[in-house]
Amino acid sequence: ILNVEQSPQSLHVQEGDSTNFTCSFPSSNFYALHWYRWETAKSPEALFVMTLNGDEKKKGRISATLNTKEGYSYLYIKGSQPEDSATYLCASWGDEKLTFGTGTRLTIIP
Amino acid sequence: NAGVTQTPKFQVLKTGQSMTLQCAQDMNHNSMYWYRQDPGMGLRLIYYSASEGTTDKGEVPNGYNVSRLNKREFSLRLESAAPSQTSVYFCASSEGDKDVETQYFGPGTRLLVL
Repeated sequence: ILNVEQSPQSLHVQEGDSTNFTCSFPSSNFYALHWYRWETAKSPEALFVMTLNGDEKKKGRISATLNTKEGYSYLYIKGSQPEDSATYLCASWGDEKLTFGTGTRLTIIP
Repeated sequence: NAGVTQTPKFQVLKTGQSMTLQCAQDMNHNSMYWYRQDPGMGLRLIYYSASEGTTDKGEVPNGYNVSRLNKREFSLRLESAAPSQTSVYFCASSEGDKDVETQYFGPGTRLLVL
């Protein structure tokens, strides 16, 4: 079972501010790192799938970077908006399945 | 397209009762999964089906059985429910079972075992 950790557990950010949080995963036998966005009362939705060291992906104001050698990924949100409030999950692929972290719960304060 | 659908949305069981959670997807995906979500823990894989006709245990399979009825449907059965199985259950599907495949999740079933 892979050990996937996310920090911080929760975060409150003022509307308009930028923020970032971390996902760490085992760097040995790395295959792929997934980011999901999970709004309250909805189901998780995919944001990014990343495989290459140094890769950076972007979707609107949200971007992610990947460091497979040291085993971490950062998710960045630029100019936070109330609709960004959600739990952000990362998951690492290994042993033929995804192992999820516990998530970072982001609350945007208007 | 409805995507991934789950029934029921909410269920209350007494200890020892049995029930089946239903999941269906209309995306012609080959792989399907059952997860449970508990407070303070990540989504944990119960069982998965890499393709029609195959099923495999995940991280927490004890107390559960699954059936891949056809390509569309993947059901999860609790034969004798226990309070420890109180959880939110999510079904997911993906086109294949490779590392880069995005998983698409259903809306979840909230189960309370008394």
